[in-house]
Amino acid sequence: EPEVTQTPSHQVTQMGQEVILRCVPISNHLYFYWYRQILGQKVEFLVSFYNNEISEKSEIFDDQFSVERPDGSNFTLKIRSTKLEDSAMYFCASLTVNTEAFFGQGTRLTVV
Amino acid sequence: EDQVTQSPEALRLQEGESSSLNCSYTVSGLRGLFWYRQDPGKGPEFLFTLYSAGEEKEKERLKATLTKKESFLHITAPKPEDSATYLCAVQAHRGGYQKVTFGTGTKLQVIP
Repeated sequence: EPEVTQTPSHQVTQMGQEVILRCVPISNHLYFYWYRQILGQKVEFLVSFYNNEISEKSEIFDDQFSVERPDGSNFTLKIRSTKLEDSAMYFCASLTVNTEAFFGQGTRLTVV
Repeated sequence: EDQVTQSPEALRLQEGESSSLNCSYTVSGLRGLFWYRQDPGKGPEFLFTLYSAGEEKEKERLKATLTKKESFLHITAPKPEDSATYLCAVQAHRGGYQKVTFGTGTKLQVIP
């Protein structure tokens, strides 16, 4: 069964450092998403990506965040200068028009 | 603005005690409504997609229904292993891309 793969599963970083979270979406999917979930809270939308550009982003997705699909398979989320409040689970998802959104197992980011 | 509201926020049931979770939505251009199950520390796991009012889907003890304004997830004779957070999400057309918006979830606890 196809799946979305995220790496690493857990990332610990010092405040102010850059992190890159990686996702391999399902190969024939066209739409890609990043969501964040702070421990015990709801799933929050960060950004959607289609046709090699951002189609929508939330207020959370400020200038410290960026996304790329550098090689047609990986989909990355970069946080340039991490803050303590960036600590959360980050989920990648992909879908195509006639499917539900498939989610990865998430990357737990801990900023210390 | 798309809105997805789930109720109750938390639900505690005795094993075998049937109940329903609610997801009400306000969205234009609805493409589909998804139900996911999320276990602690894991990514959302797909349960059902509903596309049109009147549609119903069933899987083991779960049954999802859809009207023009809301969806219900009925749980019949639940077991402790059904304990999880249940997430509702809506997918909508937005200028050529697909937007997926999540509700806040219902945390279900089934007591033996």
